[in-house]
Amino acid sequence: KAGVTQTPRYLIKTRGQQVTLSCSPISGHRSVSWYQQTPGQGLQFLFEYFSETQRNKGNFPGRFSGRQFSNSRSEMNVSTLELGDSALYLCASSLEASGAVGYEFFGPGTRLTVL
Amino acid sequence: GESVGLHLPTLSVQEGDNSIINCAYSNSASDYFIWYKQESGKGPQFIIDIRSNMDKRQGQRVTVLLNKTVKHLSLQIAATQPGDSAVYFCAEISRSTGNQFYFGTGTSLTVIP
Repeated sequence: KAGVTQTPRYLIKTRGQQVTLSCSPISGHRSVSWYQQTPGQGLQFLFEYFSETQRNKGNFPGRFSGRQFSNSRSEMNVSTLELGDSALYLCASSLEASGAVGYEFFGPGTRLTVL
Repeated sequence: GESVGLHLPTLSVQEGDNSIINCAYSNSASDYFIWYKQESGKGPQFIIDIRSNMDKRQGQRVTVLLNKTVKHLSLQIAATQPGDSAVYFCAEISRSTGNQFYFGTGTSLTVIP
C-alpha cells in the first residue's frame, strides 16, 4: 500500500510569491492534515480536511489556505510568501471515521525555502 | 491552550543500552498519546500509542509509560541500535479539540556505536 506522497519535495521561492503544495493520502484515508515544521517551533498544526471540508484550523494567518478534493487529495497554498515561511511542510492522512481517533501517517514533506 | 514539551532536546546513548525519552503535557483532558520517530529527510513515523485509561503499553523493544498524575509520558527503547538514531516526538490528542494532534519540539536521540 503506497504511503502519503507529497509534491514537490523541494521548492525555492522569493518573498511575495505564492506557492501550492500537493498531498496524496493513503488510499482510503479521508482525513488530511497539514503541519509546518521548523527547528524552533517543532510541528505546528495548520489545518485538517475531512471529506472536502475544513474541520480544524490552527493559528496561522489567512495567507495559508488549503482545500481537499473529492478523491481526498489535498493542496495547501501560501500567498505573499515571507522569509519566515521557510519550513518543512508535512501532510498527514488518517483513516478516521466520524468521532474516532485515527493514526496519522505522514508524508516525507515539502522543504520550502523563501529567499 | 495545550502544550506538549520535552525535558531534553538531545540524548546520546551507547549502542545496546536502554533509552528513555520524556515528554510533559499540559492538557489533562487529552485522551490519546502517540510517539513518533522522525529520521533525517523523512516525515514522522508512528511508533506506539497509549490511551489515557492506560498506564503502560509495550511494543517491540519499546514501552510507553503514562503518568496522568504529573502529566508525563515516556518512551523507553530497549537495546538501542544505531537505526534508532532520530528525533522522537510525542503527540497528544483530545476529543475536546476535535481530535487535533499537538506535538512537542522533539528529542534528538544519537546512538553511539
